[in-house]
Amino acid sequence: DAKTTQPPSMDCAEGRAANLPCNHSTISGNEYVYWYRQIHSQGPQYIIHGLKNNETNEMASLIITEDRKSSTLILPHATLRDTAVYYCIVFTGGGNKLTFGTGTQLKVEL
Amino acid sequence: GAVVSQHPSRVICKSGTSVKIECRSLDFQATTMFWYRQFPKQSLMLMATSNEGSKATYEQGVEKDKFLINHASLTLSTLTVTSAHPEDSSFYICSARSGQGDGNTIYFGEGSWLTVV
Repeated sequence: DAKTTQPPSMDCAEGRAANLPCNHSTISGNEYVYWYRQIHSQGPQYIIHGLKNNETNEMASLIITEDRKSSTLILPHATLRDTAVYYCIVFTGGGNKLTFGTGTQLKVEL
Repeated sequence: GAVVSQHPSRVICKSGTSVKIECRSLDFQATTMFWYRQFPKQSLMLMATSNEGSKATYEQGVEKDKFLINHASLTLSTLTVTSAHPEDSSFYICSARSGQGDGNTIYFGEGSWLTVV
């Protein structure tokens, strides 16, 4: 699986948009960009994934650059409950394995 | 969305005993399940990939005789930590893939805290 690079930590004010970047310059053509988050002492929670088009669901939006070498996860109105470690992973979603990097610790503050 | 459930959520066992952790996909059939362990303040480390009806594939450095994985049905995989020792104390997490082709979502269980005393 392609490796990803994320900033180790970010802060965001409650109510503001949180924009979490991810670089994946060696992504393969059949690899998707997946985002998960892990709140302390819980299993990872699926957020969103996409191949090349931008995606939006009830939790977040995923913006993927045209060359697919980077992406941004957007939480439009961050709340304190969004404080978590966010993992960006590139993965086919098929027969290979899903491995985690170190992620970004997002801290949402009042 | 899809749900993956683990049981027990917390377990304490004596050194030298074995403990089993179950992972169930509640509303979908999972041909593949993954097992991870996580130490405090570290990321998840993949231990093994479990395919229904076949032997699990273990990651390098993971002892297959110590961490027994059974995936007997499309909705259940089990991880048995045999002859557990205090250094096996960790957070164990399973996940399941919801389909077979590319672009499928992998859902995670709530995790199981194992403490070996």
